[in-house]
Amino acid sequence: EAGVVQSPRYKIIEKKQPVAFWCNPISGHNTLYWYLQNLGQGPELLIRYENEEAVDDSQLPKDRFSAERLKGVDSTLKIQPAELGDSAVYLCASSLGAGPSYEQYFGPGTRLTVT
Amino acid sequence: KQEVTQIPAALSVPEGENLVLNCSFTDSAIYNLQWFRQDPGKGLTSLLLIQSSQREQTSGRLNASLDKSSGRSTLYIAASQPGDSATYLCAVNSNSGYALNFGKGTSLLVTP
Repeated sequence: EAGVVQSPRYKIIEKKQPVAFWCNPISGHNTLYWYLQNLGQGPELLIRYENEEAVDDSQLPKDRFSAERLKGVDSTLKIQPAELGDSAVYLCASSLGAGPSYEQYFGPGTRLTVT
Repeated sequence: KQEVTQIPAALSVPEGENLVLNCSFTDSAIYNLQWFRQDPGKGLTSLLLIQSSQREQTSGRLNASLDKSSGRSTLYIAASQPGDSATYLCAVNSNSGYALNFGKGTSLLVTP
C-alpha cells in the first residue's frame, strides 16, 4: 500500500513569489494534517482536515497561507507571497480517523527554500 | 500547553555502544507517546508507540519506556550501528488533542 505522497520534494523560490505544495494521503484516511518543521525544531501543526472540512486552522497564518482539500482526498497548501522566514520543511500526514487513538502516517515532506 | 523536551540535543557515540535518549513532557494527561526517526531530507518514520497504560514497548534493538506520572520517556538503543545515525523525535498525543506535540529531537551520530 502506498504511503503519504507529497510533491514537490524540494522547491526554491524568490521571496514574494507564490508556491504550492500537494499531498495525497493514504487511501481511506479521512483526516489530513499539514505540519511545519523549522530547522532544528520538531514539527508543528498548521491545519487539520476531517474529510473536506478544515476543523483546526488556528495555527495557520491566514494572511499569506491557504489550504484546501477538495473532495476530501488530496490537499494543497499555498503560500502567497513567500517570505524568507517560510524556509522550512512542510510535512503532510494522514490518519484513518480523528483523535489520539488513530496513528498518524507522515509523508517525506517538501523542503522549501526562499531566497 | 503541552511542552516536550528532549535531552541531549546531539549525541555522538562509537559503534557498539548502548545509548539512552530522553524525553520529558509537562502535562501527564497523555493518550500515547511516539518515537520517530528522521533521516536528513526525509519524512518521519514511526519507531515505537506507547499507550498511556503501557510501561514499555520493544522492537528489535529499540526499547521505549514511559513513566506518565513523572512525565518522562526514554528510548534505549542497544548495540548501536552507523545506520542508526539520524534525528530521533519524541511526540506526545494528549487525551483531548488531535495533533502531535513534538520535541526538538536528538541528533545521533554513530561512528564506525
